[in-house]
Amino acid sequence: EVQLVESGGGLVKPGGSLRLSCAASSFAFNNAWMHWVRQAPGKGLEWVGRITNKGDGGTTDYAAPVKGRFTISRDDSTNTLYLQMNSLTTEDTAVYYCTTIPLGYCSTTRCFGYFQHWGQGALVTVSS
Amino acid sequence: DIQMTQSPSTLSASVGDRVTITCRASQSISSWLAWYQQKPGKAPKLLIYKASNLESGVPSRFSGSGYGTEFTLTISCLQPDDFATYYCQQYNSYSTFGQGTKVEIK
Repeated sequence: EVQLVESGGGLVKPGGSLRLSCAASSFAFNNAWMHWVRQAPGKGLEWVGRITNKGDGGTTDYAAPVKGRFTISRDDSTNTLYLQMNSLTTEDTAVYYCTTIPLGYCSTTRCFGYFQHWGQGALVTVSS
Repeated sequence: DIQMTQSPSTLSASVGDRVTITCRASQSISSWLAWYQQKPGKAPKLLIYKASNLESGVPSRFSGSGYGTEFTLTISCLQPDDFATYYCQQYNSYSTFGQGTKVEIK
């Protein structure tokens, strides 16, 4: 069974930084295209960004609200996905989910896909 | 950016009811639409992909239809486990979610 387990959430002051991790298991992580999706308290779902697999260039894309502040990376040797978040504001307070599209679903970077497997989420609270 | 609008925002229904949720895209997204179910404190769960394809393990009372800009999710006979919030997602261009539809007990 595919498992995605986020960690690293917590309380951070405005302007601060935080790095989330997502440990993946029971699937070919090195072939997977991985995404981050967030959900502010009591609000809907918002796509944050994605990274393709290394074979497809390890390309990253970001939603406009986080572009230039957030960075997605991956370590295929440890099956771990990362989300580095800098210059955090109160608007970034949310549960952050790592998620993946079906393996082999996309063949071009114009493709985004649907989210088949999700982690349990990590809460990030930005407050002074 | 493609905007997704769901209606209604809240739906009150009883066990056994047939329920329909609508999702409209601001421009054509072909069939690149998915539906998710989310319960409080839990991650979303994929129900439908490519507008009408049922994800493995999802009960057949769930169905999806539509193309272009208008889509529907139908629950044919509402069960107690179905009271939850439902989201549509377009993946034609980047990824955008609808604002959600909460299905509550009447």
